Amino acid sequence: EPEVTQTPSHQVTQMGQEVILRCVPISNHLYFYWYRQILGQKVEFLVSFYNNEISEKSEIFDDQFSVERPDGSNFTLKIRSTKLEDSAMYFCASSEAGPILRNSPLHFGNGTRLTVT
Amino acid sequence: AQSVAQPEDQVNVAEGNPLTVKCTYSVSGNPYLFWYVQYPNRGLQFLLKYITGDNLVKGSYGFEAEFNKSQTSFHLKKPSALVSDSALYFCAVRPGGATNKLIFGTGTLLAVQP
Repeated sequence: EPEVTQTPSHQVTQMGQEVILRCVPISNHLYFYWYRQILGQKVEFLVSFYNNEISEKSEIFDDQFSVERPDGSNFTLKIRSTKLEDSAMYFCASSEAGPILRNSPLHFGNGTRLTVT
Repeated sequence: AQSVAQPEDQVNVAEGNPLTVKCTYSVSGNPYLFWYVQYPNRGLQFLLKYITGDNLVKGSYGFEAEFNKSQTSFHLKKPSALVSDSALYFCAVRPGGATNKLIFGTGTLLAVQP
């Protein structure tokens, strides 16, 4: 079964540094997402991406965050200047369809654990 | 504010017994409802969804969920629990309207004892 893959599985960085988290969504999916899960807390929506642009974002997704689909397969999340509170598990997800077919489930990757020191 | 509640942090059940993991929601419009499972060091894995129609939906691994509109609930059930069902379960809701984001509950840890 096709799956969403994320690299690296664990990233340690110093406060103020830039990080790029990488994802390869399922190949025929059209919508891409980033979610995060701070340890012991709920999974939170960050951003959705469709047709090479952000379709929706949360209040968490401020100017420090950006997403990109640099080629036909990768989908990246960049944090420009990391803060301690950015430490979390970041999940990439993809789905075949979005708002029009809202029953399309999201398929998640295994996550990247980001630790900011 | 739109929210999803999973009132139990942990549910303990003996193998072979039925299990229920509770979920209630408060969102606008007609929501789409989902259950996901998370095994240690893994991503969220889709279990089942409710869109319209029959209030009892069946999903992967013998799980099912019952939608109750009047109680705004979507409880996850399984007639006979297995030790391998032990994992973290998340209820998620996609609100009505032109949004494709999911709102997740806080998760319920299911522990099935042999």
